[in-house]
Amino acid sequence: RKEVEQDPGPFNVPEGATVAFNCTYSNSASQSFFWYRQDCRKEPKLLMSVYSSGNEDGRFTAQLNRASQYISLLIRDSKLSDSATYLCVVNTRTYKYIFGTGTRLKVLA
Amino acid sequence: DTAVSQTPKYLVTQMGNDKSIKCEQNLGHDTMYWYKQDSKKFLKIMFSYNNKELIINETVPNRFSPKSPDKAHLNLHINSLELGDSAVYFCASRGRGSTDTQYFGPGTRLTVL
Repeated sequence: RKEVEQDPGPFNVPEGATVAFNCTYSNSASQSFFWYRQDCRKEPKLLMSVYSSGNEDGRFTAQLNRASQYISLLIRDSKLSDSATYLCVVNTRTYKYIFGTGTRLKVLA
Repeated sequence: DTAVSQTPKYLVTQMGNDKSIKCEQNLGHDTMYWYKQDSKKFLKIMFSYNNKELIINETVPNRFSPKSPDKAHLNLHINSLELGDSAVYFCASRGRGSTDTQYFGPGTRLTVL
């Protein structure tokens, strides 16, 4: 079993739609969690950290479920500019980050 | 100013050659990383240095040798390049604390012919 698993997609959604991605992780001792965004042929960039109580940043909401070992990302009112690959990242021990394979999102006009 | 920079951006070379990729960060971070992103887009950690000390070495062939001359620099030297080494190599840095963000360089696209 992979340490961090994501549905690769692609998720094709119309502009204005709400879309949600899930990510599961295998190490119950994982310490911190993140969503990164990667555009084609670019470096990954932090979208948001994921906190135990859940957190929101504008149209983006992240949730963590430690009991079931998954994190989620919800994007409301999708924009064309949201088209990218979304990477789930788990910090399994100090200094070590495991990346999921990413979920591709295409927002269609 | 670029936070994490890498050179070169593109590297095309023949099998068997030796090449180096350089990385520099101006964020004052203590920890730096090398990641490899293969053709399937899977981003995998290779090495990590903290205060010039190697702290993570993820079963990478010993043809790959990282070097950290100081906290702001982490270079990657690859000997006897193979076709399977073709990938994008990303350098990243991170501040203190496990919740701190990693900042990535723009990547070096290595093609081995």
